[in-house]
Amino acid sequence: AQSVTQPDIHITVSEGASLELRCNYSYGATPYLFWYVQSPGQGLQLLLKYFSGDTLVQGIKGFEAEFKRSQSSFNLRKPSVHWSDAAEYFCAVVGSGAGSYQLTFGKGTKLSVIP
Amino acid sequence: KAGVTQTPRYLIKTRGQQVTLSCSPISGHRSVSWYQQTPGQGLQFLFEYFSETQRNKGNFPGRFSGRQFSNSRSEMNVSTLELGDSALYLCASSRSYNEQFFGPGTRLTVL
Repeated sequence: AQSVTQPDIHITVSEGASLELRCNYSYGATPYLFWYVQSPGQGLQLLLKYFSGDTLVQGIKGFEAEFKRSQSSFNLRKPSVHWSDAAEYFCAVVGSGAGSYQLTFGKGTKLSVIP
Repeated sequence: KAGVTQTPRYLIKTRGQQVTLSCSPISGHRSVSWYQQTPGQGLQFLFEYFSETQRNKGNFPGRFSGRQFSNSRSEMNVSTLELGDSALYLCASSRSYNEQFFGPGTRLTVL
């Protein structure tokens, strides 16, 4: 069964500092990987996705993520964090060819930003 | 292009009642999935409908059911509500593996 692990429950960074949120996945075949962001009381917004090709993918709001098959990781990065980035971030995987679009999510990482 | 809409946005029910939540997907999307989000369990998959057929189901009791109509709109129903059913219910609409768009959710509170 596929699974996603986000080791950090809560991260606090200063505004302007760099950010890296970790994500490890377990899936037997080629995964499709996603990062979503959720502001309090809101739905999920897609930041970026990876399904093939270049292992460094660019997303919205200045975020990027790197897929590393050897480490089963898909870490999210941002060079300079803004106060508006404070939210909860979820990594997710869907199995290609599984016949279903079911997403498996990690538990999420809550990001706090210090002004 | 309109996004995924969910109604109602907030709902308060009492134990034992039943509830129906609605989701309208993005035009052209034939897959609708439902997720339950709670602080303790995180985001858990409930079920997915594709072209009016349930294609996949998560590990939830039979009190949770759903359906999809010919226009791809979907409803989910929870019968005999329990306190533990209090959650944010999210609907996702998609056309393929590489895109999943979420609605704002319905916040259900069971008293």
